[in-house]
Amino acid sequence: GQNIDQPTEMTATEGAIVQINCTYQTSGFNGLFWYQQHAGEAPTFLSYNVLDGLEEKGRFSSFLSRSKGYSYLLLKELQMKDSASYLCAVRDLGSGGYQKVTFGTGTKLQVIP
Amino acid sequence: ETGVTQSPTHLIKTRGQQVTLRCSSQSGHNTVSWYQQALGQGPQFIFQYYREEENGRGNFPPRFSGLQFPNYSSELNVNALELDDSALYLCASRATSGRYRSSYEQYFGPGTRLTVT
Repeated sequence: GQNIDQPTEMTATEGAIVQINCTYQTSGFNGLFWYQQHAGEAPTFLSYNVLDGLEEKGRFSSFLSRSKGYSYLLLKELQMKDSASYLCAVRDLGSGGYQKVTFGTGTKLQVIP
Repeated sequence: ETGVTQSPTHLIKTRGQQVTLRCSSQSGHNTVSWYQQALGQGPQFIFQYYREEENGRGNFPPRFSGLQFPNYSSELNVNALELDDSALYLCASRATSGRYRSSYEQYFGPGTRLTVT
């Protein structure tokens, strides 16, 4: 099975930088996703890492270390609208060879003025 | 807008009843996954369909079943509803070429909020 851990809640100040960590244990690793989910809405795709290193996309960056089973999502120049839950999700090969995405419980980020 | 639609938006059912939720995939997407998301939790994988066949299942009992149609739209059926089935049900679609090669990004629909009383 899989085990995905991320902090339950974080608080950060508008304009600051925040790093949300995710650790995972899985076999057949085939990529790690970060999703943003505002309350009452569906998750929206932020980033995808399959190789080690940093992927940057505007104010958001995501890092992966496969050997450590570790990823982080970095949010810069925080805005109030960034208050949301951030979901770490791992894709791997399930039994039968199909690809399955498993989500962590999410980190609820509150941005304060 | 992701191009994935779900119906209904909200639904209230009584314990023991049956429910059918529907999902229309984004055009060209032949793979659909269903998730259950309880309040304050991450989405939990229910099952996945590729070209009308179930090709993956999470830890959900058989009373959770599904269908995928030739146009790649999909249904989730839940029999003998229990109070714990109250959750947001999400479907997500993506394109898969061949059984095991899949695009990395899946697009979620807005979800169906099911309340069981």
